[in-house]
Amino acid sequence: DVKVTQSSRYLVKRTGEKVFLECVQDMDHENMFWYRQDPGLGLRLIYFSYDVKMKEKGDIPEGYSVSREKKERFSLILESASTNQTSMYLCASSLRSAGGATEAFFGQGTRLTVV
Amino acid sequence: SQQGEEDPQALSIQEGENATMNCSYKTSINNLQWYRQNSGRGLVHLILIRSNEREKHSGRLRVTLDTSKKSSSLLITASRAADTASYFCASPLSSNTGKLIFGQGTTLQVKP
Repeated sequence: DVKVTQSSRYLVKRTGEKVFLECVQDMDHENMFWYRQDPGLGLRLIYFSYDVKMKEKGDIPEGYSVSREKKERFSLILESASTNQTSMYLCASSLRSAGGATEAFFGQGTRLTVV
Repeated sequence: SQQGEEDPQALSIQEGENATMNCSYKTSINNLQWYRQNSGRGLVHLILIRSNEREKHSGRLRVTLDTSKKSSSLLITASRAADTASYFCASPLSSNTGKLIFGQGTTLQVKP
């Protein structure tokens, strides 16, 4: 059974803390994604990685960075957490294909609260 | 930038009725995908339709794609209470990338 696993289901952090959200996939996928989901705004792409050490900014990269040192792991880093980063964070992965985007597999989500 | 825009934002129907959700997108695409999200969970892939296809079926799901209008629709027939969820369309930002951009979603409530 294919799997994308996010390290935490719920997380509470203090303003100013450096926060790491981890995501691991076991499908040997080249593409990995971090989205945040807020009510009324749908899913917004934070960062996209198409290979190890390769990344592209999404729509809302400000205040975030990412790390992809190994193919199976994609980390989202909040450099200095702020209350406006309280949100649901979703990780996903997909195969790279010459034919365009392929089916994405999602983790269960991490609900982050910054206090 | 949102690639896909769903319509309506919310839909409430009775069990047994059909539910139709629409999606519009901005750029040319190789395919368009639909996903489902149960409350507070990750998304699950439902169906993918390629740009050279006009219609695709999967069980009670029917998806259409009109590339001239840059729009797609998802029809769920004979809906059940268990279909209550949010539904999202997703497409690549451009034709040659795996970067997947989602719309804002349609929240469907099916009343028993």
